[in-house]
This record gives sequence, structure tokens and C-alpha cells, in this order.
Amino acid sequence: AQSVAQPEDQVNVAEGNPLTVKCTYSVSGNPYLFWYVQYPNRGLQFLLKYITGDNLVKGSYGFEAEFNKSQTSFHLKKPSALVSDSALYFCASGSGNTGKLIFGQGTTLQVKP
Amino acid sequence: NAGVTQTPKFQVLKTGQSMTLQCAQDMNHNSMYWYRQDPGMGLRLIYYSASEGTTDKGEVPNGYNVSRLNKREFSLRLESAAPSQTSVYFCASSPLAASKNIQYFGAGTRLSVL
Repeated sequence: AQSVAQPEDQVNVAEGNPLTVKCTYSVSGNPYLFWYVQYPNRGLQFLLKYITGDNLVKGSYGFEAEFNKSQTSFHLKKPSALVSDSALYFCASGSGNTGKLIFGQGTTLQVKP
Repeated sequence: NAGVTQTPKFQVLKTGQSMTLQCAQDMNHNSMYWYRQDPGMGLRLIYYSASEGTTDKGEVPNGYNVSRLNKREFSLRLESAAPSQTSVYFCASSPLAASKNIQYFGAGTRLSVL
């Protein structure tokens, strides 16, 4: 069965420090991987995706993610965190042409001034 | 651009009552989805519609029905609400039913079943 795991419920980081939000996946075939962000009382917003090609993917708001096939990981990173980055982050994976995505349980990012 | 619009934003039901959650998108997307979000469980797919005229079950379809009314609208119905259906419901759409496509989400409907 396909699955996505986000091992940390919460990540705390000081403003200006680098941040990493972890994601591992288990899918059959070539995975499509996504990161979405959710601000309080809002819907999910797309950040970035990996489909194929370069393992380092750059997305919105200075975020990037690295696809690692051998470790089946797709960690979200940012070199310098902002307080405004504080939100709930979801990793998701899909494969094939169904349009169906499997979401991780989410990681709350708290950036403190 | 409104994107994906969900109504209502909030709803409180009593056990056994029925209601329909409405979703409309103005992006001319072919595919639409209904998810529920529960704490610590991420988003789980309830039903999806790959294209107008088709619907399929997702991961957690029990207790729900859907209607793809036209290309723009995709509704979710709870026939007899149960406390276990207390959740936040999100509708999403994508250009095609391909898993590499970005999905665009509405703001959600917060439902409490007492």
C-alpha cells in the first residue's frame, strides 16, 4: 500500500536559521511528490512538486525540496526561516493517472523571533 | 479569480440529520476531489470525479455520497450524519485526473455533528 510519512508532528526553529521538514514515501512506480502549506483557517496551497529530472526542486517563498530515491525521502528545506513561514505543512504523493494523492499527517512549523 | 469556492464555511448538525456540502470551481478543471482533514491524520480522500459524469470512491467513502452536477460543481452529501463525521472538509480541483497535476483547494467547511 502506498503511504507518506512525516515523522515530526512539530518543528521549532529560530528566525533566520535553516529549516527542514521531513517526508518519506512508499509508492509503487515512479512517484510524484508534492509539498503543500496550510495557514490557519485556510485551504492548502501548493508549494512545489517533483515529477522527474533534477532532484533539487525550487518552489514558492524560497522553499526547496530534495528528492532522494535511495532513501525514499523528499525533505522540505529553506535556508533562512521567517516568522511568517509558521504554518502546517503537508507532504503528498501520487502515481499513475488516477489523480489520487496520499497525504502525510502534517508537520506544524513554528518559527520564533 | 475565485478559484475553488465551498459553502457553507461552518455547519453544526445533530446526529441523523442530512446536509449537502457545495463546491464550485471557475478554472475549467476536469477533475474534482473531496477530502476530510482530521488532527494527526492528514487529508484523506472521500470521493473524486476524474471528469464530468464520473465519480469514484476514495479512501474513506462510507457515509457519503457525491454528485458531479456539471463541470464546475461537485457536491458531497451526508445522508445521516454521525459524530465520527465531525471534521474539516476540503474540496479540490485539478486540470486533469493525473497524479502529477497540482490540486487547488477551497477554504474548507468545518462540520460538527453533535
